[in-house]
Amino acid sequence: DTAVSQTPKYLVTQMGNDKSIKCEQNLGHDTMYWYKQDSKKFLKIMFSYNNKELIINETVPNRFSPKSPDKAHLNLHINSLELGDSAVYFCASSQDGASGNTIYFGEGSWLTVV
Amino acid sequence: GQQVMQIPQYQHVQEGEDFTTYCNSSTTLSNIQWYKQRPGGHPVFLIQLVKSGEVKKQKRLTFQFGEAKKNSSLHITATQTTDVGTYFCAGPYSGAGSYQLTFGKGTKLSVIP
Repeated sequence: DTAVSQTPKYLVTQMGNDKSIKCEQNLGHDTMYWYKQDSKKFLKIMFSYNNKELIINETVPNRFSPKSPDKAHLNLHINSLELGDSAVYFCASSQDGASGNTIYFGEGSWLTVV
Repeated sequence: GQQVMQIPQYQHVQEGEDFTTYCNSSTTLSNIQWYKQRPGGHPVFLIQLVKSGEVKKQKRLTFQFGEAKKNSSLHITATQTTDVGTYFCAGPYSGAGSYQLTFGKGTKLSVIP
């Protein structure tokens, strides 16, 4: 069974469109994340979220918004897509927000904006 | 902001040679984690170091945490083609009442057969 699953795995879309990436974890974790990995493989955290608080990386444009219907799901919605949004987006989870937690990553969603 | 510096960015080795990647933090860390990402894959947890001066081994991989808990290294002995991938260190940095795991920029290892 896949611990952290995200869909779609590949997404090609035009500039200006709105798209969503869905994520689900079956680990019973309290905290979920979205990471962005650019072409140089740099992994940057975008959001961390548990049922108590949403922490937003201040460098993330407000076109990006996480939506969590319940603690097992954290979807990423992107408005008005731009070319620079092309990247791999990883959903992840950890037991809670404590400093020693291991992060479990999904397999990634490859987004290409044309 | 808080960050973890990792070097080198790339390393090409002949199969059988050793490989080391280094990680430095601007501040003292409560722990440091290492992840491996295979080409086309996702980061996978390898190990966590917690204690000052700690050394842990996983077969041919040796992980060290510095005495000051600001630096760490991963050493692979006698590399194999299965070691190919990008190795990331990551440290927790506190902010807004919780921790966020911040990743180094990674070291991409290529192994020439």
